[in-house]
Amino acid sequence: SQKIEQNSEALNIQEGKTATLTCNYTNYSPAYLQWYRQDPGRGPVFLLLIRENEKEKRKERLKVTFDTTLKQSLFHITASQPADSATYLCALDSSASKIIFGSGTRLSIRP
Amino acid sequence: DAGVIQSPRHEVTEMGQEVTLRCKPISGHDYLFWYRQTMMRGLELLIYFNNNVPIDDSGMPEDRFSAKMPNASFSTLKIQPSEPRDSAVYFCASSLDRVDYNEQFFGPGTRLTVL
Repeated sequence: SQKIEQNSEALNIQEGKTATLTCNYTNYSPAYLQWYRQDPGRGPVFLLLIRENEKEKRKERLKVTFDTTLKQSLFHITASQPADSATYLCALDSSASKIIFGSGTRLSIRP
Repeated sequence: DAGVIQSPRHEVTEMGQEVTLRCKPISGHDYLFWYRQTMMRGLELLIYFNNNVPIDDSGMPEDRFSAKMPNASFSTLKIQPSEPRDSAVYFCASSLDRVDYNEQFFGPGTRLTVL
C-alpha cells in the first residue's frame, strides 16, 4: 500500500544549526513533492515544491532535495532560529489535484 | 483576499447531534478540499471538489459524513449523527486549477469536540 513516513515525530536543534527533516515514501510515483509548515492552532502553509525531474530547490534558508531512486526528500533549514519551531509536513501527489500528507515532524529550535 | 474562511472555529456538541461545518474558499479557486486532523491519524483527506462537483469521496469515513458545494463560494461538511470519535480539527483548503501542480491554501480549521 502507499505510504509516506517522516523520519521522526520530534526534532530538537540548537539555534544556528541546520535542521534536516526526512520524508520517505513507498508505492508512489509522485510528479512532485511539497513541504508545508503548520503552527499550533493553524492550518498548514505551503513552503516549497520540488518536481520529480529536479534534484534540489532553494528558497532563502530552506533547501529541499528529491531523490526518486531512494524515494526520499530531505528538507533543510540553515541557520535555524527559534521562530522556525513548528510542525513540518511533506505531501505527495501523482496527479494535478489530490495530495497526500505525511504525519509531520515537530521541530523545536532552542536558543 | 481574506483567504479560506471556516466557521465555526470551535464546536462542542453532544453525541447524536448534527454538526455542520462551513467553508468559503478563495475566490477563483477551482478545487476545494476537506481534511480531518487528529494526533493519531494526522491530516486525512476526506473529500475534494472540482468546479463544485465531488471528485473523490473515498476518504469519507462513513455514511454519517456528507459534503456539499452548492456554488463556487460555499461548501459544507455535515456529520449526522455525531460520535465522540469524530472529535478532530477539520480543515478546508482550496487551490487553483493548475496543469502542473496545486499549492493548497488552508483555512484556520474548526475544532470539533463531541461529548
